[in-house]
Amino acid sequence: GAGVSQSPSNKVTEKGKDVELRCDPISGHTALYWYRQSLGQGLEFLIYFQGNSAPDKSGLPSDRFSAERTGGSVSTLTIQRTQQEDSAVYLCASSSSGGAYETQYFGPGTRLLVL
Amino acid sequence: GIQVEQSPPDLILQEGANSTLRCNFSDSVNNLQWFHQNPWGQLINLFYIPSGTKQNGRLSATTVATERYSLLYISSSQTTDSGVYFCAANFNTDKLIFGTGTRLQVFP
Repeated sequence: GAGVSQSPSNKVTEKGKDVELRCDPISGHTALYWYRQSLGQGLEFLIYFQGNSAPDKSGLPSDRFSAERTGGSVSTLTIQRTQQEDSAVYLCASSSSGGAYETQYFGPGTRLLVL
Repeated sequence: GIQVEQSPPDLILQEGANSTLRCNFSDSVNNLQWFHQNPWGQLINLFYIPSGTKQNGRLSATTVATERYSLLYISSSQTTDSGVYFCAANFNTDKLIFGTGTRLQVFP
């Protein structure tokens, strides 16, 4: 595709429910990143994938958060037993081959509201 | 710890004015990117600029890596330039560390 796509665009859920957020990176990009943007914390890193492996999961805030990537392409971020503090915009990015010298390109984000 | 700081936090301009946004970082960087977050929340890539100077239309950026800062210049601002500008850097890792942003409002 032309850019990074994410779905859904918006998600409203009730506290305690599980949610899945999807990211489709730029075609051919091997590196994929999840970030979160919230009012109190700004933009923060969650997890990085190189292919289907996640060498850096250091930003996941709790064990309620998990992510996977299959076929070296689509990634899913899952939040279990959602809490109100999980409300944020979840952003996905991809880069050509990963590494500290690569440009990261961002998707439009998923706005999650936990009631 | 590693920090990326931006100034000013807020900027209000009249259309046609010029502005300079600053990004300071606490350590040597591998990568420095500038983004514009539009009112719909989309992060638009402006520059990849770990060092040197680049220009793209009315926008230009300069990074002085040895002094650990980067500047984004906006000339002849337009209302469509409104939004939040972020700088973000890699510090020997794959993840980007973001600054807190500069919120720009351009009025006609």
